[in-house]
Amino acid sequence: SQQGEEDPQALSIQEGENATMNCSYKTSINNLQWYRQNSGRGLVHLILIRSNEREKHSGRLRVTLDTSKKSSSLLITASRAADTASYLCATGGGSYIPTFGRGTSLIVHP
Amino acid sequence: EAQVTQNPRYLITVTGKKLTVTCSQNMNHEYMSWYRQDPGLGLRQIYYSMNVEVTDKGDVPEGYKVSRKEKRNFPLILESPSPNQTSLYFCASSLVGQGGYNEQFFGPGTRLTVL
Repeated sequence: SQQGEEDPQALSIQEGENATMNCSYKTSINNLQWYRQNSGRGLVHLILIRSNEREKHSGRLRVTLDTSKKSSSLLITASRAADTASYLCATGGGSYIPTFGRGTSLIVHP
Repeated sequence: EAQVTQNPRYLITVTGKKLTVTCSQNMNHEYMSWYRQDPGLGLRQIYYSMNVEVTDKGDVPEGYKVSRKEKRNFPLILESPSPNQTSLYFCASSLVGQGGYNEQFFGPGTRLTVL
């Protein structure tokens, strides 16, 4: 199965700024999920957006999905130092094998 | 507390010595899976299970075995570990929904080194 690709690979911002990261994929999907991973630890689910949805919000997170472009974006508003982590997207198609991207490494400087 | 547990968290072993990494979840999830995470390669699925006695290969199943005799447990077995299986391993579980799996809950990870 093909991986989703996050962009950029790394992002460094100041506390209070917004962080935007993107995910592109290659095959049709049923849903797309974003996860956060602190260094060397387990992944934590952030948000799931289905293929028939275009935008979803959860707290300071905003996710968009453009199935025509096969891409999604994750926006974190008013970033905090605690948001420092890697952010991965996972795409779910007809099979039960999700494909994960390599992640965007976000550093938020206090 | 809803959680996925894995044991051991850290393991150093030698080539050829059989080992088992246990995984257990307390959320009554049907779907369970194993991943390995390697630098530059991201997270890749090894095996998954849709329910008791139902398992299937993921992207990188070679060298691994799994079993699902109980709904809550999904052990990963390395019959004859080799150095290229040195990696960070994650177990995950989720409910099964329309179009596949849903939000996955991940364990804390097992860092395996094979010498």
